[in-house]
Parts: sequence; C-alpha cells; structure tokens
Amino acid sequence: GENVEQHPSTLSVQEGDSAVIKCTYSDSASNYFPWYKQELGKGPQLIIDIRSNVGEKKDQRIAVTLNKTAKHFSLHITETQPEDSAVYFCAASIFHQFYFGTGTSLTVIP
Amino acid sequence: GAVVSQHPSWVICKSGTSVKIECRSLDFQATTMFWYRQFPKQSLMLMATSNEGSKATYEQGVEKDKFLINHASLTLSTLTVTSAHPEDSSFYICSARDRAVNQPQHFGDGTRLSIL
Repeated sequence: GENVEQHPSTLSVQEGDSAVIKCTYSDSASNYFPWYKQELGKGPQLIIDIRSNVGEKKDQRIAVTLNKTAKHFSLHITETQPEDSAVYFCAASIFHQFYFGTGTSLTVIP
Repeated sequence: GAVVSQHPSWVICKSGTSVKIECRSLDFQATTMFWYRQFPKQSLMLMATSNEGSKATYEQGVEKDKFLINHASLTLSTLTVTSAHPEDSSFYICSARDRAVNQPQHFGDGTRLSIL
C-alpha cells in the first residue's frame, strides 16, 4: 500500500519567516494530495490541496508544490504569523483511500 | 465550505458504559465516512471506513465488537464504544468524503473520551 513520510516532525520559525514542510509518497498511482491544519483540541481542517495534473497551487500565504517524478510534495507558508502555529498533516489519496503523514508541529515565535 | 459535525465533543463516563458518537455531514452527501483515533502528539490512526448502507471495513487490530459503526444514511455515521474501559480513553475523530471523485475528507472537531 501507499506510504507517506513527512518531515520535519517539529519546526520553529520566527514570525514573518517562511516555513516549509515536505512529504514523500511511494505509490505513483496516488493522484490527490490534501494538506490539513490541526489546532489543539480540534479536528484537522483542509487548508489546501493539489491534484496530480498540477505542479503548483497557491492560496494567499500558502502554496503547495508537487513533483510527480520524485514523488514528493511540499507545503510552503510565507510571512508566518503566530496563528499559523498548529500541527500540519499531509496526505496522499489513491482509489478513494487516504494515507496521512505523521504530522509536523509548527511553532511561530512572535 | 463542507461542514462535518461531531457530537459530543467531550464525554466522561464510568468503566463499563457504552458511548455513542455521532458524525454528520451538514451540507453534502457522504458516501464514505472514516473513524480515526488520535493519541496525544501523534498522527491519525484509521480505525474503520464505513460506506452508506453496508458494513464497515475495520483496520487490522481494531475490534469490531468493541467499536460498532453504523452508517445508516448519506449524512450520518455513528461509532459506539461498547463496555468502555480506561484504555479506550482517547480522541476520536470522524471524517466524511463527498461522493464525487478526488474530493477531500472533511473532519469533525473530534470527541474527547475519558473513561474513569
């Protein structure tokens, strides 16, 4: 089955700096890649997603890139703010099944 | 956007009690719903996948008789933790996916279950 690896597990950045989280996947048939943000005590919330026919997608301060050849995708957050502090999960989807990464705890230091 | 409502958000009960958690998709039809368990500072652990009108598919190591799942309609799935014990204490999260292809899972806000 699909295997998704996510790095780093923890990340601290100064407010205003950029943050990058990377994920790799193993099954080239995966064709949909969402990113979720989970705040303490809440369920994960979808923040951005990308499909396999697209290489990059941007939504304000958040962007996701996908390299199908290398089987990796990344989340980029620019101009980080304290409210960006949370746990972020990547996922790869194949045949309606979702495989999640192990999460990245992001801390934005004011 | 798509909304998934999960209730209750927090349950405290005595050992031996059965607890039911509801998961509703409020503005879309969810042919598939997922139930996850999450331990502190860990990732989501898929427990089971339920499709409307059929039996749930449980992941390896998850007891079917312990965690009863019912998906009676396109907008409602329930998880019942039967005869709960302290080791069942955890954060349970449901998610629902729209019937269309390549749609994301939308998560509820989770249920914190504490068994005394």
